[in-house]
Amino acid sequence: GESVGLHLPTLSVQEGDNSIINCAYSNSASDYFIWYKQESGKGPQFIIDIRSNMDKRQGQRVTVLLNKTVKHLSLQIAATQPGDSAVYFCAENYYGQNFVFGPGTRLSVLP
Amino acid sequence: KAGVTQTPRYLIKTRGQQVTLSCSPISGHRSVSWYQQTPGQGLQFLFEYFSETQRNKGNFPGRFSGRQFSNSRSEMNVSTLELGDSALYLCASSLAGDERHTEAFFGQGTRLTVV
Repeated sequence: GESVGLHLPTLSVQEGDNSIINCAYSNSASDYFIWYKQESGKGPQFIIDIRSNMDKRQGQRVTVLLNKTVKHLSLQIAATQPGDSAVYFCAENYYGQNFVFGPGTRLSVLP
Repeated sequence: KAGVTQTPRYLIKTRGQQVTLSCSPISGHRSVSWYQQTPGQGLQFLFEYFSETQRNKGNFPGRFSGRQFSNSRSEMNVSTLELGDSALYLCASSLAGDERHTEAFFGQGTRLTVV
């Protein structure tokens, strides 16, 4: 099936800085996207979602941007904290189909 | 509200055996999806059940099967286990009725090791 990829497999940021995690998706028909956070030993945790009729959505310290023209998704984390260290997955969905997950990006927050 | 519960958390089986994993979704959620997570392949979709019917299926061999009960609890079964089946098996539940675009909530997973 279609696959979702990430440009950066690992990302290291200083505590307090902003983080940007990128994702490229391949199915132009995908119309729903989710970012998940997975900490060691735990299942993926929902962070934020966005539908294709939007290009930006904000949550608490997180913002997701969607650029359908280039099939690109990004997750911005403001004032990154040590607790943000985890693997982040983007997932795409096309109506009626299952979610397709990217390989994940590991975010390391440096003190 | 209780989250998604998967049992057991850890399991060790030998090649050739079969295994059954259980998932209890969030109360009120009718859709349950199963995923296999490995370091090499990432999160791979196995199948989705909605109202006791398999609605979607991934590209896994027939050794992988599942079912859903009337209370939305789901089980997945893997027969004739192979070493390559060692993975974290994740279950996700969602409301997912006619409106398919709803977020999925994951359980902690079952770590299966095949020796």
